[in-house]
Amino acid sequence: DTAVSQTPKYLVTQMGNDKSIKCEQNLGHDTMYWYKQDSKKFLKIMFSYNNKELIINETVPNRFSPKSPDKAHLNLHINSLELGDSAVYFCASSREEGTGVNEQFFGPGTRLTVL
Amino acid sequence: DAKTTQPPSMDCAEGRAANLPCNHSTISGNEYVYWYRQIHSQGPQYIIHGLKNNETNEMASLIITEDRKSSTLILPHATLRDTAVYYCIVRGPNTNAGKSTFGDGTTLTVKP
Repeated sequence: DTAVSQTPKYLVTQMGNDKSIKCEQNLGHDTMYWYKQDSKKFLKIMFSYNNKELIINETVPNRFSPKSPDKAHLNLHINSLELGDSAVYFCASSREEGTGVNEQFFGPGTRLTVL
Repeated sequence: DAKTTQPPSMDCAEGRAANLPCNHSTISGNEYVYWYRQIHSQGPQYIIHGLKNNETNEMASLIITEDRKSSTLILPHATLRDTAVYYCIVRGPNTNAGKSTFGDGTTLTVKP
C-alpha cells in the first residue's frame, strides 16, 4: 500500500497556466508538507500544514497555495506558472507537530516542466 | 534549528561499512538528529534519528558524540542500492518542520 501518493507523476504545461498537484496520505498523519527540489537538487520546504496551522516559507510566491479538503489530502495549486517553477515537487506527511519525534514520509514526487 | 555541515561526496566499496559524518556544533539540548536519504528520482526516505544515545535499526546505526556536536551514520554493509544523497537534519521536538531544511547532503557512491 502506498503511504504517500501524488498525482500526476509528470506535468508539462505552458507558461501562464494554472495547475494543481494532488497529494494523499493513508498513514493517519495530522501534518502534511510540500517541498520543491530544483535542478540543483536542493530540497526546500514550501509549506507545512495541519488542522491548526499553516506555515508558509516566506520565500514562496503567493502564486502557490495549499488546499486541504481533509486531513488525508494536501493539494498544491499554482497560478500563472513561470519557467522557474519547473522542478520536482514532493509531498510529505508526519504525525502531529509537537508530539515529539516526527519522521516524515515522502511521496514519489511530481516533475513539473513549464515551457 | 541548528545548521548542519556534511561533506559533498563520499565513495564506499560494496560490502564495506559506509561512515557518513555530520557536524552540528550549534545543536540545542532538545534537538534531535535525523538522517534521510534520497535515491535518484525518488522521494526522500527516513533512515534513523537520535538524541543523545547511539541508535541502531534495520537500516543503519547512528553514533552521536558525547558533546552532541557531530554524528556519524553507519551503513554496516553497503550495497549498490545504498547509492544516494544522505541528509543530516537537526530539529527540535516542538519545532514545526516548516522551519527546518534539508541541506546539500552527502552523495554516497557505492562501487563494486
